[in-house]
Amino acid sequence: SAVISQKPSRDICQRGTSLTIQCQVDSQVTMMFWYRQQPGQSLTLIATANQGSEATYESGFVIDKFPISRPNLTFSTLTVSNMSPEDSSIYLCSVGKREYEQFFGPGTRLTVL
Amino acid sequence: AQSVTQLGSHVSVSEGALVLLRCNYSSSVPPYLFWYVQYPNQGLQLLLKYTSAATLVKGINGFEAEFKKSETSFHLTKPSAHMSDAAEYFCAVSEGQAGTALIFGKGTTLSVSS
Repeated sequence: SAVISQKPSRDICQRGTSLTIQCQVDSQVTMMFWYRQQPGQSLTLIATANQGSEATYESGFVIDKFPISRPNLTFSTLTVSNMSPEDSSIYLCSVGKREYEQFFGPGTRLTVL
Repeated sequence: AQSVTQLGSHVSVSEGALVLLRCNYSSSVPPYLFWYVQYPNQGLQLLLKYTSAATLVKGINGFEAEFKKSETSFHLTKPSAHMSDAAEYFCAVSEGQAGTALIFGKGTTLSVSS
């Protein structure tokens, strides 16, 4: 398994500002993923973050809005830039481990006013 | 492309009753299938997974799921519901390679009444 922590756990931000979310894993992993869960909705993949390379973004998500860093095999950050109320969501990071399963962090609950 | 459909966005059962949450998948390759549970204000917890071994998979908290290729289904069941089972349940499919992202269904909210 994997133990994943995220910071902050929640935040309330003003429109037009940016927030950086941190994801820390207790073991080295090749791939990390960032998901968004909008209120009452399912999880949508934002991007895949590999150490040492640019993140791969899914359709509808762009690097200027959601820049991602992956400086080493246990850490990643996701920034939500120039926020609007539509960005209010839970943001989750996950890691892929054996047998294709993924372990999820507790999530960051973001509210944009 | 792979996809997951969860039938029924909300399921209500009485305590002690059978729980059945439905999940159908679409895949052109043998899939890897998962059920996750999300309790209020918490992250996702893996309930069980199917990775091409036994078709009947047992998970935590008394849940199990059966992979039926002919029906492209992976329904989640529990013989007797507890109040603590009230949560959001997500079915997910892997794109088939280790370490790849999951594709999630829209989720089913399970309510349990006494």
